[in-house]
Amino acid sequence: GAVVSQHPSWVICKSGTSVKIECRSLDFQATTMFWYRQFPKQSLMLMATSNEGSKATYEQGVEKDKFLINHASLTLSTLTVTSAHPEDSSFYICSAREPGRDHYGYTFGSGTRLTVV
Amino acid sequence: GQNIDQPTEMTATEGAIVQINCTYQTSGFNGLFWYQQHAGEAPTFLSYNVLDGLEEKGRFSSFLSRSKGYSYLLLKELQMKDSASYLCAAMDSNYQLIWGAGTKLIIKP
Repeated sequence: GAVVSQHPSWVICKSGTSVKIECRSLDFQATTMFWYRQFPKQSLMLMATSNEGSKATYEQGVEKDKFLINHASLTLSTLTVTSAHPEDSSFYICSAREPGRDHYGYTFGSGTRLTVV
Repeated sequence: GQNIDQPTEMTATEGAIVQINCTYQTSGFNGLFWYQQHAGEAPTFLSYNVLDGLEEKGRFSSFLSRSKGYSYLLLKELQMKDSASYLCAAMDSNYQLIWGAGTKLIIKP
């Protein structure tokens, strides 16, 4: 089946630094990528939707200058958390969509646990 | 507005049956998903319903009533490994997933 590889699985960074998270679709072309954030004991919160070759669409309340999303190819999307602060500590998950597959082809990456100290 | 409601937590006994309910209100509707999520891991797909009725897949079944905006996930012959959070998500008219907060299922021996 479809696989989305997400790296790193976990990262600890100092406050004020930037962290890049990558998601790669390994055996299909991901025309659309969704980026979610999940705080403990809460559900997935959609941060942004990106389509290959165009700018990402951010959800209300998500700072696009802080969470930079790049979807430069059909197999790679990146999320960069700039000037990270402790309140950015969360579980970040990407999901790729391949239209035409069963159940609209939503496949999730394995997630990245970000801890900002 | 768009809203998904499901219980926060449920407890069941190993070997028993449990039903997790979900009600939804969305702008348009293109199907209802159930995902399983173990702590610290990404969600994994369990089921997708877009037509009314029951879909059975092994020990797991999912039911949908579009007129009532209601779905349930039925887990039979519960195993300890079924302890996880179960997320209900409805797809709206823009094909966006609207997520519930998840139901934490605790299985006791």
